[in-house]
Amino acid sequence: NAGVTQTPKFQVLKTGQSMTLQCAQDMNHNSMYWYRQDPGMGLRLIYYSASEGTTDKGEVPNGYNVSRLNKREFSLRLESAAPSQTSVYFCASSEARAFAGELFFGEGSRLTVL
Amino acid sequence: AQSVTQPDIHITVSEGASLELRCNYSYGATPYLFWYVQSPGQGLQLLLKYFSGDTLVQGIKGFEAEFKRSQSSFNLRKPSVHWSDAAEYFCAVRVRGAAGNKLTFGGGTRVLVKP
Repeated sequence: NAGVTQTPKFQVLKTGQSMTLQCAQDMNHNSMYWYRQDPGMGLRLIYYSASEGTTDKGEVPNGYNVSRLNKREFSLRLESAAPSQTSVYFCASSEARAFAGELFFGEGSRLTVL
Repeated sequence: AQSVTQPDIHITVSEGASLELRCNYSYGATPYLFWYVQSPGQGLQLLLKYFSGDTLVQGIKGFEAEFKRSQSSFNLRKPSVHWSDAAEYFCAVRVRGAAGNKLTFGGGTRVLVKP
């Protein structure tokens, strides 16, 4: 089973360039998430989509946009990349049931902004 | 403000020794509690979770965690560490009833295992 698949795994951008991180899950989960991971700060939520057709801001949404393309896919877009967005980005998915809550993570996308 | 704290950034332990990783949370009510592990270059894998009931929770890879309401803590333990346990460990919480199953993570504890 593929689980959660992220592309690309590595990317180097110049300041001001744009790019989109793609995420797809094959577990029929309703909820999807984008987190960024920075040393000493754990994972911080950028945006999430509780269900198809909805998206909401997380803790650190500035500089990012998201699209829930369909139930499987949730993309993260950087319109004008900044060095502060150098990070490892993780996509995750979960069931939406209240008693569940386990997140399944992709392997991450390492982004460097020069 | 709601927060999750892992006081230890790094822990070094000898192979075969016991391990305890600390996690404290600051929420108005008891949240759902999780421990995840991240091996180098990998995504996060769930070790265990606490929703309710027995405060001692068993997980995968021989890990367990104990929820202590009075201390707002959810510490992770393993009696005998193996070299393969070298990784980064994250405590996470989810507020009961919150939409979207959002998790809030602590800063992580990196575990090094000495031979």
